[in-house]
Amino acid sequence: GNSVTQMEGPVTLSEEAFLTINCTYTATGYPSLFWYVQYPGEGLQLLLKATKADDKGSNKGFEATYRKETTSFHLEKGSVQVSDSAVYFCALNTNSGYSTLTFGKGTMLLVSP
Amino acid sequence: DTEVTQTPKHLVMGMTNKKSLKCEQHMGHRAMYWYKQKAKKPPELMFVYSYEKLSINESVPSRFSPECPNSSLLNLHLHALQPEDSALYLCASSQESVSYEQYFGPGTRLTVT
Repeated sequence: GNSVTQMEGPVTLSEEAFLTINCTYTATGYPSLFWYVQYPGEGLQLLLKATKADDKGSNKGFEATYRKETTSFHLEKGSVQVSDSAVYFCALNTNSGYSTLTFGKGTMLLVSP
Repeated sequence: DTEVTQTPKHLVMGMTNKKSLKCEQHMGHRAMYWYKQKAKKPPELMFVYSYEKLSINESVPSRFSPECPNSSLLNLHLHALQPEDSALYLCASSQESVSYEQYFGPGTRLTVT
């Protein structure tokens, strides 16, 4: 079956620090990969995506590269802001049948001034 | 426009009440989803509608009853809920049910007393 593993949180950083949140996956077929962000009291927002190997998704300074050889999709940002404090979910969707999103457990990011 | 709207934002109901949650999207998406999210957990899939037909029911208790009146609307009818059903209920939509990214609404925070 499909599964997504994310690093445990919370991740605590100072403003302007470099961010990495690790994500690895197990999937049958060729999955599409996503990062979603959830701010306190809100729904999930699609942050970025990649649909095939070596694709790089990017948005709002965040980046992630689809690495098939290491089955990874790590999220990075060069300089975090206090407003980036949120929960980040890595997810995958396989391209067959009535496939649905498989989520990781989520990683909370706390950025202090 | 990638907006999914949900009403109400908050709902408090007793165990004998009947209430409904509503979701709407105008992106022309043909798949819509209901998720349940407990605190500090990823969303759990409840139902999937594809082309206005129920395609996936993840063994959800019958006190939750979904309805898709048309391609833009999705309802979740609630009856005789239990306190453990208190959670954030998220609606999402996607272009199709296979491989495409899902866009989430802001959610309804449900409290069952």
